[in-house]
Order: sequence, then C-alpha cells, then structure tokens
Amino acid sequence: DAGVIQSPRHEVTEMGQEVTLRCKPISGHDYLFWYRQTMMRGLELLIYFNNNVPIDDSGMPEDRFSAKMPNASFSTLKIQPSEPRDSAVYFCASSFSDGEQFFGPGTRLTVL
Amino acid sequence: GENVEQHPSTLSVQEGDSAVIKCTYSDSASNYFPWYKQELGKRPQLIIDIRSNVGEKKDQRIAVTLNKTAKHFSLHITETQPEDSAVYFCAANVEGGKLIFGQGTELSVKP
Repeated sequence: DAGVIQSPRHEVTEMGQEVTLRCKPISGHDYLFWYRQTMMRGLELLIYFNNNVPIDDSGMPEDRFSAKMPNASFSTLKIQPSEPRDSAVYFCASSFSDGEQFFGPGTRLTVL
Repeated sequence: GENVEQHPSTLSVQEGDSAVIKCTYSDSASNYFPWYKQELGKRPQLIIDIRSNVGEKKDQRIAVTLNKTAKHFSLHITETQPEDSAVYFCAANVEGGKLIFGQGTELSVKP
C-alpha cells in the first residue's frame, strides 16, 4: 500500500478563494482524521470519520470549513472563503479501529 | 474536558545522554498511548505505543512507561544520537476512537 495520499502537497491562494484538500486513506482503514498544524496551536484535530460517517466535527474552527467523505477511499476538506489565518499544514490520517494512526505527507496551505 | 499535558516543551541533551519526556492525561478511560516523532518538514510517525495492560515497553533505545493510577506516561530515549533530534508528541485515546495529542517536545541532540 502507498500509505495515506494527500493532494495537493502545496497550495498558495489568495484570500477569499475556495480551497479543497484531498485525502485517500489506506485501504481497509475505517477511521479518517483531518488535522491542522501550526506553530502557535500545535496539532489540532478538526474532524474525523468512522465508516465514512462524521463522528466529531467540534474542532472545525468556523462554518467556512467543511469536510466530506463520500466513500471509503476519498475525503475532502474545503475552506470557503479562505483567510490568511488558515495558513497551516493540513494532515490527513487513517487507522483501523483504535490502532495506529498513519499520517499523510500533509498539504502546506498559504493564504495571501 | 479531555486533555494531555506534555513536558518539557524543549529539551537539549548531549549526544550519548538520555532524554525523558513526560505526559499526563485526564480521561481515566484512556487505554492506548502512542508516541509520534516528527522531523522538520515531515509527517508525524509512530515510534512506540503502549496499552494499559502493560506498564513498560521497550524497543531498542526507546522505552515507554505507564502509570495508570497517576495517569501519566513517559518516553525514555537512551544513548541519544543527532538523528533523534525532532519534535515528539504523546497522545491518549478517548471514547469514539480519536487521539488527544500533547503540545509536543522539541528535542535537540548536540554532537
């Protein structure tokens, strides 16, 4: 397996634009997590899914953020409209049951 | 609420010395405690984990100890090497399958 795949790896956009981050979890994993990492706030859990169903979205900062998981092999995190304070590295991770979480390479987002 | 406290935030040691990072957790139902290492510009990667049915686990130069009564666990790295320099995160699981992460410890091993 190629591991967790994220795209794009880098994204530079202007304030007000829509941003869509994509994730493909490891095949067979039933949990998918979206994290945001910044120097100030560390590693924050935004939302996670179990069997494609959102379980806890309490970490989503605002209504500008939304996430979907239409099937077991794909998830998106969307920011609309984006703001400079959304600049961060966004990680997707997946796991089987309550086992090890495997992280993707991350998407470095810069909002100008 | 659910919380994991991690100390210290930064740690500097000489090559060959030992390093210890400590974490405390708040949810008494937590039973899985992983440690992740994140090198600069890379993703967090699991280096060792422990479940609540054991008190200690070792893997070569790294070990983790768990005290469920006191709700704390620690990472021990012996004979540190420059390549051990990274940010280390502890975590604890909570109901629902998610992990609560500590704030991270930046370890610097000086040659």
